[in-house]
Amino acid sequence: RKEVEQDPGPFNVPEGATVAFNCTYSNSASQSFFWYRQDCRKEPKLLMSVYSSGNEDGRFTAQLNRASQYISLLIRDSKLSDSATYLCVVNVGASKIIFGSGTRLSIRP
Amino acid sequence: DAGITQSPRHKVTETGTPVTLRCHQTENHRYMYWYRQDPGHGLRLIHYSYGVKDTDKGEVSDGYSVSRSKTEDFLLTLESATSSQTSVYFCAATPEGVSMNTEAFFGQGTRLTVV
Repeated sequence: RKEVEQDPGPFNVPEGATVAFNCTYSNSASQSFFWYRQDCRKEPKLLMSVYSSGNEDGRFTAQLNRASQYISLLIRDSKLSDSATYLCVVNVGASKIIFGSGTRLSIRP
Repeated sequence: DAGITQSPRHKVTETGTPVTLRCHQTENHRYMYWYRQDPGHGLRLIHYSYGVKDTDKGEVSDGYSVSRSKTEDFLLTLESATSSQTSVYFCAATPEGVSMNTEAFFGQGTRLTVV
């Protein structure tokens, strides 16, 4: 079993739609959680950290459920520029950062 | 820009040859990581370093070795390259391990092809 698993995607949604991704992790001792965004043939970049109480950054909302060991990302009012691959990231140890395989999102006009 | 550069950016090499990829950072980050990215697998951790001369294995370390003799440089070596090591390699760095507010900064990647 992978340590971090994501919705496989791809998601193809119209502009303005709301889309949600889920990610599960296997190590109950995981401490830090993140969503990264990766554009085609580029390096990953931090989108947002995920806090226990949930957090919002503009159109993006991240949630953490420790009991069920999953995190989620909600994108509201999606834009064409949101098209990318979204990576779920979990710290599974003192200094080991583990990435999910990514979910590809494509926004159509 | 977190000052992380990878070299080379592209490389084609023959099976059985040794290859070294270099990651250089200018921010004095303590932790550095090497990942490979393949379709359907996302980024998989190869090795990481938590200080000069301190390294540990990740989930796909077989066939790879690393060295960190200076804070700013983290080298990844393929002792004898195989076609299964054709991939895109990313280096990353974080200031002090991973906490809620720690961002991992990535280099632009090295596209390695083993023929």
